[in-house]
Amino acid sequence: KNEVEQSPQNLTAQEGEFITINCSYSVGISALHWLQQHPGGGIVSLFMLSSGKKKHGRLIATINIQEKHSSLHITASHPRDSAVYICAAQVTGNQFYFGTGTSLTVIP
Amino acid sequence: DGGITQSPKYLFRKEGQNVTLSCEQNLNHDAMYWYRQDPGQGLRLIYYSQIVNDFQKGDIAEGYSVSREKKESFPLTVTSAQKNPTAFYLCASSVRVLETQYFGPGTRLLVL
Repeated sequence: KNEVEQSPQNLTAQEGEFITINCSYSVGISALHWLQQHPGGGIVSLFMLSSGKKKHGRLIATINIQEKHSSLHITASHPRDSAVYICAAQVTGNQFYFGTGTSLTVIP
Repeated sequence: DGGITQSPKYLFRKEGQNVTLSCEQNLNHDAMYWYRQDPGQGLRLIYYSQIVNDFQKGDIAEGYSVSREKKESFPLTVTSAQKNPTAFYLCASSVRVLETQYFGPGTRLLVL
């Protein structure tokens, strides 16, 4: 069993739809990261969470520490949001457990 | 044992000095990455390399340089042009880009 489970694995949405990607983890964490990886391979860190909720533009990330669950929401999705979204649990300073990623395609 | 090693664990730099952080992997991974983590912030990508002799800038490449002359090695040089270099630097590798990344133990850089 993986320490970090993401769902869904693949997601196709119409432009404008509200999108949710889920992440469950089984380890004790110091922080939970949401990363965005584009087809070229570069990774952008979207959020680092240790509690509550964070919002940046159309992106919202929430975490429930008791339930060991986090969600990434995208409001009013756009084709440029198409990417792989990765949930990563930071256990210690250098130890990360990664989810397998959610490949999102937003169709115009 | 297979893995990623970074050295040194701690590094001190005087202002105006260039320093080089080492990252070596024996996992036979094609892709390698350098990230920076500041207190209370997420990872930020500095540079990545998909294959030997190739590398691409990440979000915060200014003031840094890299080389990828060998598959197993991806050293990062923090130049004097980097105005705020104090941070925790993490190296990672993956079989290929877009696959799970494995991290080294990190190097903490402090400017004196």
